[in-house]
Amino acid sequence: DAKTTQPTSMDCAEGRAANLPCNHSTISGNEYVYWYRQIHSQGPQYIIHGLKNNETNEMASLIITEDRKSSTLILPHATLRDTAVYYCIVRVSLNNFNKFYFGSGTKLNVKP
Amino acid sequence: DTAVSQTPKYLVTQMGNDKSIKCEQNLGHDTMYWYKQDSKKFLKIMFSYNNKELIINETVPNRFSPKSPDKAHLNLHINSLELGDSAVYFCASRGSGAEQFFGPGTRLTVL
Repeated sequence: DAKTTQPTSMDCAEGRAANLPCNHSTISGNEYVYWYRQIHSQGPQYIIHGLKNNETNEMASLIITEDRKSSTLILPHATLRDTAVYYCIVRVSLNNFNKFYFGSGTKLNVKP
Repeated sequence: DTAVSQTPKYLVTQMGNDKSIKCEQNLGHDTMYWYKQDSKKFLKIMFSYNNKELIINETVPNRFSPKSPDKAHLNLHINSLELGDSAVYFCASRGSGAEQFFGPGTRLTVL
């Protein structure tokens, strides 16, 4: 019952921008897109989230298409420490409580 | 200053045994979760509690019984362990904000 699809893996050169795509073609109007990452089997770590508008914080930028069927997470200057599995997530609200549907994740390999 | 902690970090046990995993958060959050991550790294929610009350139960077998003695704790008890229960179990908590904070995980291996 995954609501997102992501490429299995991607490579990125250190210092370059990493652009991680995600498809969520069945997303509903009130469902948010979240991104988390998991470094080396640690607990997942929040990166960013958004609904319709593009978002930016100190870690990354999130670009959501106008039809909301896909999004891209951008790490502007990837470092070796950004090597991790990146999860694209749809957050569904049920009776005022939120449920995360994790995708299968993209393993980002940042190379020197 | 760990925000969400879990014990134990590793748990190796025989099929048929009963075991518990504990989770504590010191963030003052009202909502706590248990997730299961399988060998393919797929993370799936199992339970969600809000103020000690069960909110979400994702068709998890009855052998899994969560218990929340207070807002800061959500423990997971598993009866009659099976091979397929081997996974990494993550606890998470959320306050009024959008972010869920995850614990470090408990790797359960059933032999």
